Amino acid sequence: EAGVTQFPSHSVIEKGQTVTLRCDPISGHDNLYWYRRVMGKEIKFLLHFVKESKQDESGMPNNRFLAERTGGTYSTLKVQPAELEDSGVYFCASSPYLGEESNEQFFGPGTRLTVL
Amino acid sequence: LAKTTQPISMDSYEGQEVNITCSHNNIATNDYITWYQQFPSQGPRFIIQGYKTKVTNEVASLFIPADRKSSTLSLPRVSLSDTAVYYCLEAGSARQLTFGSGTQLTVLP
Repeated sequence: EAGVTQFPSHSVIEKGQTVTLRCDPISGHDNLYWYRRVMGKEIKFLLHFVKESKQDESGMPNNRFLAERTGGTYSTLKVQPAELEDSGVYFCASSPYLGEESNEQFFGPGTRLTVL
Repeated sequence: LAKTTQPISMDSYEGQEVNITCSHNNIATNDYITWYQQFPSQGPRFIIQGYKTKVTNEVASLFIPADRKSSTLSLPRVSLSDTAVYYCLEAGSARQLTFGSGTQLTVLP
């Protein structure tokens, strides 16, 4: 079974440009999460989808970030316009557990974003 | 802020048992103790979770005392490939994960 995939693996853009990251969760997983690690700090939660609905977006840093999950399958995270402090690694994770007592989330390899 | 406290780093030798202890003094009643492993350039990977007492799977064991204020991840007979960062987390079902700094485990030959 294919795991969580993310595209691109690396992205280098200039400040002010727009970048869109994509995440394909494991098929059948209703939960989809975005996390990021910036500037060598800890991995931080961004938001959580349940199917196509945003369950929790409390971690989104500001309105330059827009996440979508049309049709409840893959998700995109757009940063517009990108700032220097957005550089880091963006992880996507998925999970099939809804209301069950398991904290197993399946992470993708991440997208490394560099804003120059 | 991360709610758990664990050592920044640990060294071990191949074939030894490694125990990583985590403190979580204010864990919520509904939260489980969950451990993840992360290799360089990869996303975190779930290892084990537990609520109380002892849990064992094919990879590790997790020991949790009755007061649940701490937990110990036990890795039997580590190999070089177990070199990674290990995260201890408090988490409820289907909710966001809160990562701390983790413990960098280095296994030496």
